[in-house]
Amino acid sequence: QVHLAQSGAEVKKPGASVKVSCKASGYTFINYYIYWVRQAPGQGLEWMGWINPNSGGTNYVQKFQGRVTMTRDTSISTAYMELSSLRSGDTAVYYCARERWVDTAMLLDLWGQGTLVTVSS
Amino acid sequence: EIVLTQSPGTLSLSPGERATLSCRASQAIRSGSLAWYQQKPGQPPRLLIYGASGRATGIPDSFSGSGSGTDFTLSISRLEPEDFAVYYCQHYGDSPPVTFGQGTRLESK
Repeated sequence: QVHLAQSGAEVKKPGASVKVSCKASGYTFINYYIYWVRQAPGQGLEWMGWINPNSGGTNYVQKFQGRVTMTRDTSISTAYMELSSLRSGDTAVYYCARERWVDTAMLLDLWGQGTLVTVSS
Repeated sequence: EIVLTQSPGTLSLSPGERATLSCRASQAIRSGSLAWYQQKPGQPPRLLIYGASGRATGIPDSFSGSGSGTDFTLSISRLEPEDFAVYYCQHYGDSPPVTFGQGTRLESK
């Protein structure tokens, strides 16, 4: 059964960093990009970037450049998203999602359960 | 940058009725680049439609997608109680690669 399992909720102080993990199971991890999407309380979905688990290549939204780092450990089929210099506006649920292609259509067909990150002094 | 505008913001309907949700792109986009997701409270988004009209695995045929160019539609032919949720359209393109609409809340009247 294909599954993405994320790490648990975090509470961080402003200025700190957080690292969220996303463990894949039931499929070949290196064959599918992992996207990171966040959702502030009561708000919509915001794409942050992706990582190619095979090469480690990344693509970040310009808004997060310099603050976000996406990595992976292929030995344990796990992707990571680290966000630094946290501020209150980073309080959100962070999701990982698997990218898949059907012909020329891109879709995010598998999502983690989400990780709530709360930034508070 | 492609901007997706969803309408209406909130749609109030009764079970059994038909729902029509709109997603308009700021410029013409490739149909294969448009997807729809459903999100219920406390849950991650769930893929419904890809490539503007392809139904994802396990999605009932009451859900259908259509459109091209700048105007896309998600239709739910006969609303079930579990269909009341927030719906997002999503575009895959060049820069940025991924954008989401702001969502349409489908609520029970």
